[in-house]
Amino acid sequence: QSVLTQPPSASGTPGQRVTISCSGSNSNLGINIVNWYMQLPGTAPKLLIYSNNRRPSGVPDRFSGSKSGTSASLAISGLQSEDESDYYCAAWDDSLNGVVFGGGTKLTVL
Amino acid sequence: EVQLVESGGGVVRPGGSLRLSCVASGLTFDDHAMHWVRQAPGKGLEWVSGISWNSDRITYADSVKGRFTLSRDNAKNSIYLQMNSLRVDDTALYYCAKGFGSAPTGPIDYWGRGSLVTVS
Repeated sequence: QSVLTQPPSASGTPGQRVTISCSGSNSNLGINIVNWYMQLPGTAPKLLIYSNNRRPSGVPDRFSGSKSGTSASLAISGLQSEDESDYYCAAWDDSLNGVVFGGGTKLTVL
Repeated sequence: EVQLVESGGGVVRPGGSLRLSCVASGLTFDDHAMHWVRQAPGKGLEWVSGISWNSDRITYADSVKGRFTLSRDNAKNSIYLQMNSLRVDDTALYYCAKGFGSAPTGPIDYWGRGSLVTVS
């Protein structure tokens, strides 16, 4: 059972906008930044969004992040087939004194 | 280009030990915190341990506390994870990962390809 809660699955059709939620608590999302990762099958995770809403160089602006209180979300607009992947949220937890991850959301492009 | 290369994985009996290594290149190593994150087969990501740039802050997940020890050698651009008293549920792909900043509280921004540890 993960400290951060994500829906196990999400789906959308090409061109659609989808959002993936991440719910935490006062000791993690409530006071620390959230980061999002994308993991294609058989590969290492890749940083997608950091510090709540910042994109690393090379990440398309179709990907955006937001955070409010103890919840965060990742939005993907103009959905493409190559976006089909697992997505994870993560944050530092001051009570656990460590990084906590969500359980991951498998995004299917229909 | 940042590269993180793990080594040291393998098959070990329950109760046994292994030492993972990770060598980094393409970065100013002693500017950054480093981490180990694992992924059991078919499961999600689980943070294992993190270390600050100068080793003055080392933290562990409760699941490995007292059994695993993380260390770093800035002269060799390397981190190490000594894993003792291994259990079947430690079986996973272990990723070496780089912190964005010098403290382990910041984002993880680069990952290695992983080293497989099988406890059986």
